[in-house]
Amino acid sequence: QVTLKESGPGILQPSQTLSLTCTFSGFSLSTYGMGVGWIRQPSGKGLEWLANIWWDDDKYYNPSLKNRLTISKDTSNNQAFLKITNVDTADTATYYCARIEVYYGFDFDYWGQGVMVTVSS
Amino acid sequence: DVVLTQTPVSLLISLGGQASISCRSSQSLVHSNGNTYLHWYLQKPGQSPQLLIYQVSNRFSGIPDRFSGSGSGTDFTLKISRVEPEDLGVYYCLQRTHNPWTFGGGTKLELK
Repeated sequence: QVTLKESGPGILQPSQTLSLTCTFSGFSLSTYGMGVGWIRQPSGKGLEWLANIWWDDDKYYNPSLKNRLTISKDTSNNQAFLKITNVDTADTATYYCARIEVYYGFDFDYWGQGVMVTVSS
Repeated sequence: DVVLTQTPVSLLISLGGQASISCRSSQSLVHSNGNTYLHWYLQKPGQSPQLLIYQVSNRFSGIPDRFSGSGSGTDFTLKISRVEPEDLGVYYCLQRTHNPWTFGGGTKLELK
């Protein structure tokens, strides 16, 4: 059974760094073809893809967030991480992590429940 | 970036009726490997999105055959037949043929 769960600070101030953790089970990020992606959704709005990390440590980022994103993983502990630097109110959103299974072409086949992040002074 | 335009933005459907949602891409979504990476998701109220259809027309595990996807190149359609109450929510298309991956703006399916 595949499960993912996001965790984060809840609230932070503008200019701080947002650190998110995705803890998952039922698959391994050391397995060929596996990946984890991060997606966010401001309240009442649509979905925005942020970044992916793959089994071979390859990483893709959304260039709209320029150099503010860093994605990483801890394979031993079944975790993936996302850092967003210099946050502002526009980064207020629910952040999701989701699994990617390249071999069968399943992109974001399982999602976490999401974690709400508020940026406010 | 590839822009995915979903129409309509909202859809009023009677229970048991049929819904059709369009997703049009600003570029062909045929990958260099020949696959077309256009997927459909449903986000039910208060829930995370769930994968319905992957690579245009393949139903994900556990998805009923009331859901069907079709299309090619730049034009794609999701059809939901015999709409049931649990089908209500916002439907999104996603393309991952081109970087960055992009979502459509969403289509809200509501009961008439």
